[in-house]
Amino acid sequence: EPEVTQTPSHQVTQMGQEVILRCVPISNHLYFYWYRQILGQKVEFLVSFYNNEISEKSEIFDDQFSVERPDGSNFTLKIRSTKLEDSAMYFCASRQVTGNQPQHFGDGTRLSIL
Amino acid sequence: AQSVTQLGSHVSVSEGALVLLRCNYSSSVPPYLFWYVQYPNQGLQLLLKYTTGATLVKGINGFEAEFKKSETSFHLTKPSAHMSDAAEYFCAVSTHNSGGSNYKLTFGKGTLLTVNP
Repeated sequence: EPEVTQTPSHQVTQMGQEVILRCVPISNHLYFYWYRQILGQKVEFLVSFYNNEISEKSEIFDDQFSVERPDGSNFTLKIRSTKLEDSAMYFCASRQVTGNQPQHFGDGTRLSIL
Repeated sequence: AQSVTQLGSHVSVSEGALVLLRCNYSSSVPPYLFWYVQYPNQGLQLLLKYTTGATLVKGINGFEAEFKKSETSFHLTKPSAHMSDAAEYFCAVSTHNSGGSNYKLTFGKGTLLTVNP
């Protein structure tokens, strides 16, 4: 069964550094999402992406965050200048166009900011 | 705005016992409802979904859930717990209003299920 894959599984970065989290969505999916889960808290929506543009973003997704689909397969989340509070598990998800289709999630990237 | 409340952050059952994980939602439009399971060090795996039609939905691993509009609930059940069911379970809601086709998910805080031998 096709899967969403995320790399790396664990990223350790110094505060203030830029980090790029990578995702390969399922190939015939057209909607892409990033969520994050701070330790002990609920999974929170960050951003959705469709047709090469952001379709919605949360208040968490400020100017330090950006997303990109640089080629036909990858979907990236960039944090420009990381803060301690960015430490979390970041999940990528994708789904087909039809609205009642579920989102399929990757295994996540654990981001640790030192 | 939509929200999800999962009653009980931790549920413990004996192997073979009934599993009941509670989920209540709030949505201004008819919701799509999902249950996801997360095993340690893994991502979120879809257990089942409700979109339209039959209110009792069956998922993988013997789980099922019933959409009750009058109670705004979508509780997850399994008749007989197995050791392999130990995981964290998340209820989620998405909306499909005509203002956008985003269908972002709003999650509950999760319920950790432990199964005792």
